Amino acid sequence: ILNVEQSPQSLHVQEGDSTNFTCSFPSSNFYALHWYRWETAKSPEALFVMTLNGDEKKKGRISATLNTKEGYSYLYIKGSQPEDSATYLCAFDLSNDYKLSFGAGTTVTVRA
Amino acid sequence: DTGVSQNPRHKITKRGQNVTFRCDPISEHNRLYWYRQTLGQGPEFLTYFQNEAQLEKSRLLSDRFSAERPKGSFSTLEIQRTEQGDSAMYLCASSTTGGSSPLHFGNGTRLTVT
Repeated sequence: ILNVEQSPQSLHVQEGDSTNFTCSFPSSNFYALHWYRWETAKSPEALFVMTLNGDEKKKGRISATLNTKEGYSYLYIKGSQPEDSATYLCAFDLSNDYKLSFGAGTTVTVRA
Repeated sequence: DTGVSQNPRHKITKRGQNVTFRCDPISEHNRLYWYRQTLGQGPEFLTYFQNEAQLEKSRLLSDRFSAERPKGSFSTLEIQRTEQGDSAMYLCASSTTGGSSPLHFGNGTRLTVT
């Protein structure tokens, strides 16, 4: 079992503020790092799949960075909106077989 | 692309009963995965198929769990003699093979064992 940790477990953000949170994973034998957004009563939705050290990906107001040498990824939300409220999961892929090891998630609540 | 479909959405059963869940993946995806998520935890890998072949089953999965994917299309996950500890959200996902494609998840089946 691979240890994937996310912090903080939860956070509250005022609408319009920016925020970020962390995913840490084993820094050896890396293949890919996935980020998913899981809104209540919906299915987890893929945000990013990152494979290269130094990768930076962006989707609208959400972006992510990757450091495979030190084993961490940051997810950033710029100008948070109520619709950004969700649990954000990161998942570590050791060998491209998609037996992903998930973190417990960071639950973001955006207050209007 | 109609997405990944799971049925039922919710299942309440008494301890000792058998339950079966169904997953219909995205039609062109040849990989299918089952994950389980309990409160406060991330999804946990259970098993996966490439076409109709079950390639791996988690050691965490007891003999009471069995999954099939006949003809490489839909999949079923059966739990025999359910226990209260089986209560969880069971998620199905599908993907294409190779590259760094993301998983496409269904809405899950919420199982409650009383």
